[in-house]
Amino acid sequence: ILNVEQSPQSLHVQEGDSTNFTCSFPSSNFYALHWYRWETAKSPEALFVMTLNGDEKKKGRISATLNTKEGYSYLYIKGSQPEDSATYLCAPILTGGGNKLTFGTGTQLKVEL
Amino acid sequence: SQTIHQWPATLVQPVGSPLSLECTVEGTSNPNLYWYRQAAGRGLQLLFYSIGIDQISSEVPQNLSASRPQDRQFILSSKKLLLSDSGFYLCAWSFGGAEAFFGQGTRLTVV
Repeated sequence: ILNVEQSPQSLHVQEGDSTNFTCSFPSSNFYALHWYRWETAKSPEALFVMTLNGDEKKKGRISATLNTKEGYSYLYIKGSQPEDSATYLCAPILTGGGNKLTFGTGTQLKVEL
Repeated sequence: SQTIHQWPATLVQPVGSPLSLECTVEGTSNPNLYWYRQAAGRGLQLLFYSIGIDQISSEVPQNLSASRPQDRQFILSSKKLLLSDSGFYLCAWSFGGAEAFFGQGTRLTVV
């Protein structure tokens, strides 16, 4: 079973705060890393698909970085808003795994006014 | 464009009854198909993964089974439900290593 760790498990921040969370995964046989946002009562939606070591991707106030050599990715949210409240999930894909998506336990973010 | 349909949205079943959840994908061929479950207070656990018709990988031992009788149809089943089978079930599809798209989910309560 693929070991994917996300930290922290949950996070409460104030509106306007910047925050970040971590996804750790096995560094060997790396192929790609996915980030998803899962809002309550909705389905998970993809944020980023990252493949290259040192890659950095950005979507509005959300950005992510990738270190494949040490097996981690950071997700950053700048100036958090209440609508950012969600569970953020990461899923690494390893070579030889047939593109199987195995998610970490997620980081639950709550942004308060 | 591609769409994914999952039904039913909610289901209440007695212990020991059978289960069948269906998921279909439109607008793509030979997708990777997934069944996930979120149990109360836990993350999204991969249950089954399929790369083609009748090619299904079971990720965790459990009371459930999956079948893929057609390229874009993925079915989650149980012969006899347990209380521990309660949870939120999600079907998803992807192509290659690209992003996955999820169905709307099924809330299953076993009573």
